[in-house]
This record gives sequence, structure tokens and C-alpha cells, in this order.
Amino acid sequence: GAGVSQTPSNKVTEKGKYVELRCDPISGHTALYWYRQSLGQGPEFLIYFQGTGAADDSGLPNDRFFAVRPEGSVSTLKIQRTERGDSAVYLCASSLTGGGVIPHEQFFGPGTRLTVL
Amino acid sequence: GNSVTQMEGPVTLSEEAFLTINCTYTATGYPSLFWYVQYPGEGLQLLLKATKADDKGSNKGFEATYRKETTSFHLEKGSVQVSDSAVYFCALQRSNDYKLSFGAGTTVTVRA
Repeated sequence: GAGVSQTPSNKVTEKGKYVELRCDPISGHTALYWYRQSLGQGPEFLIYFQGTGAADDSGLPNDRFFAVRPEGSVSTLKIQRTERGDSAVYLCASSLTGGGVIPHEQFFGPGTRLTVL
Repeated sequence: GNSVTQMEGPVTLSEEAFLTINCTYTATGYPSLFWYVQYPGEGLQLLLKATKADDKGSNKGFEATYRKETTSFHLEKGSVQVSDSAVYFCALQRSNDYKLSFGAGTTVTVRA
């Protein structure tokens, strides 16, 4: 079956612009995650959705970042007034459910490489 | 808080050599431990996992044993191939939590 997909695969924008990054999770997965991977680093957690609600957005770096998942499937990560420091690969993952004593595997998408000039 | 420390790279090996990548962790309770792999041009994939102490995860010839006494989860492969060239990430997830905490990654290059 289809895995997690993300669009666009690459996004180049200018400082100060607004961008939207899209994630299509695996069908039937109720949990969705966004991570950010800076060059030479491991992914860092941004936000977690269980269904339509953001259960934990503690990883969002500041109020320029926002994410939605209005119908409990597709999610969009929105970044306002982009800065050069926002340049990174943004990864989306989904799992059957979130949490649990033994967590379900998180399946990752290919990522969106964001470059802010 | 939770943290993962893994061996710095890059690591360059010849084909059929033995590979080990060290990973240690700090976490409360009994987390699940993972190794993820990122092949060139591809997304992050789960390589193997272990969910409790003394468990051994294995896949594609790779193995890692969950050692609670040393808080470690070292990745090993006895005979690497060129196709094993990739970036390897150690990660943990606490019980009843949902976020993964990753190490910085180790780049492995295998030469023919």
C-alpha cells in the first residue's frame, strides 16, 4: 500500500515569505507527527496529532509555526515570515495510534527540503 | 529529559568488514529503542527495535541488544556490503509517550 507522502519534495522561498508543507499519512493511521531535521542532525519532534487535535505542540519553535489536521487525515505545516534558520528537512510520520506501553511503529515520509534564501 | 548519544562519524569501511555503531541513552523508565536508517535519496526507515531489557532486535544482518545496565543499544553487523552505505540513527521512545528522540546520526560508507 501507499506510504506517507509529502509535498512538495523541495521548496525554495525568500526570507519573510509564508510556506505550507503537506503530509498525507498512511490510510487508517490516527497518529501523525512532524519532525524537523537540520543538516547533520537527527530529527527533532515538532508536533503530534491524535485524530484532528494537536495533542502536543511543545516542539514547535515559536508562534510562526502552526499545523492543522482538520479531517484527521492530511496535515499541513504552516510557517509564517520564514527565516534562514528555518531551512531544514521537514519530516512527517504516521502510526496506527500514538503512545501505548509498546508504541506502534512510526512510518516516515520522504520529507520536504525547505530552503529559505 | 530523554537523550540519545551515538558514535560520531563518518565511518568508512571496506566490504565484508565488521561494523559497530555505539549508542547510549538517558531516559526515565523503560523506553523502547530503535535503529533507523536513511539510504541516499530515501526517507527514514525503521531498521530494528527492542522494547525491553535484554531484547535483541535484528534485521538485514544487523543486530542490537537492549542493555539496561549500561543504557546502551549498539548496532552491529558482521559483514557489511556497499549497499549498507547510509546514515544510521539511534532513537528512543518512552513507554506511553509518542515522540521519538533521535541521536545525531552516523554516516557509514562501505567501499568495494
